[in-house]
Amino acid sequence: DIQMTQSPSTLSASVGDRVTITCRASQSISSWLAWYQQKPGRAPKLLIYRASSLQRGVPSRFSGSGSGTEFTLTISSLQPDDFATYYCQQYNSYLFTFGPGTKVDVK
Amino acid sequence: DVQLVESGGGLVQPGGSLRLSCAASGFSLSTFSMNWVRQAPGKGLEWISYISGTSSKIYYADSVKGRFTISRDSAKTSLYLQMNSLRAEDTAVYYCAGDSNSDNYFDYWGQGTLVTVSS
Repeated sequence: DIQMTQSPSTLSASVGDRVTITCRASQSISSWLAWYQQKPGRAPKLLIYRASSLQRGVPSRFSGSGSGTEFTLTISSLQPDDFATYYCQQYNSYLFTFGPGTKVDVK
Repeated sequence: DVQLVESGGGLVQPGGSLRLSCAASGFSLSTFSMNWVRQAPGKGLEWISYISGTSSKIYYADSVKGRFTISRDSAKTSLYLQMNSLRAEDTAVYYCAGDSNSDNYFDYWGQGTLVTVSS
C-alpha cells in the first residue's frame, strides 16, 4: 500500500499569511493526488485534483504543485474561512490513502 | 443539485451488523464510481471501499476486507455498506463519496452517519 505523510501536522498562521503544506508519498504516484479541506463536523471538500487542478468554485488563492512523491498545497493569502484541516489523498492505486492531515489554526 | 444522504448509523454491540445507505439525488449513481470513507472520532480520513459505475470493480481496505460489503441497488439510486463482525475500532462517522469524473478523487460527499460499536 502507498503511505502518505503530511507536514506540518499543525500550522499556526494569521490572516494574510502565505501557507504551504507538504504531502509525501511512499512511492511515485505521478500526479494522482487530491487535496481536501475539512471543517469540524463537516464533510471534506475537494480543493485540488491531479496535483494542481483547481476544483470549480474553489478560490484561486489555493494552488497545488508537485509530482512523483512530493506535493504542496499553497494558500497565497490566508482568509478567515481557511482555518481548517487539510488532507491529501493519493489515487494512483485502487487502495486509496489519505495523509494524516494538517490543521491550520489561528496564531 | 447533486446530493448524497447517508443513513443507517447507530449504536451496535461488538460482533453485530449494520447496513448503511447512501441515497443519491440530482444524478444517477450509475454514472459515478462511489466510495465509503470513514473518520474515527478526532482522527483522520480512512478510505474503506470503492465500487465502479458498472459495479464491475470493487475494492476494500485491508481493515474491513471480509467483513464489509459495498453494493448498489439495481435502480442505481442508492449505495450500501453492509458491515458485519463489527469491532470497537469501526466506530466512526461514515461518509459516502462520489467520483463524477471516473478519476478516483471525490468531488461529492454526503454529510456522514455515525456508527458507534460498544457494549
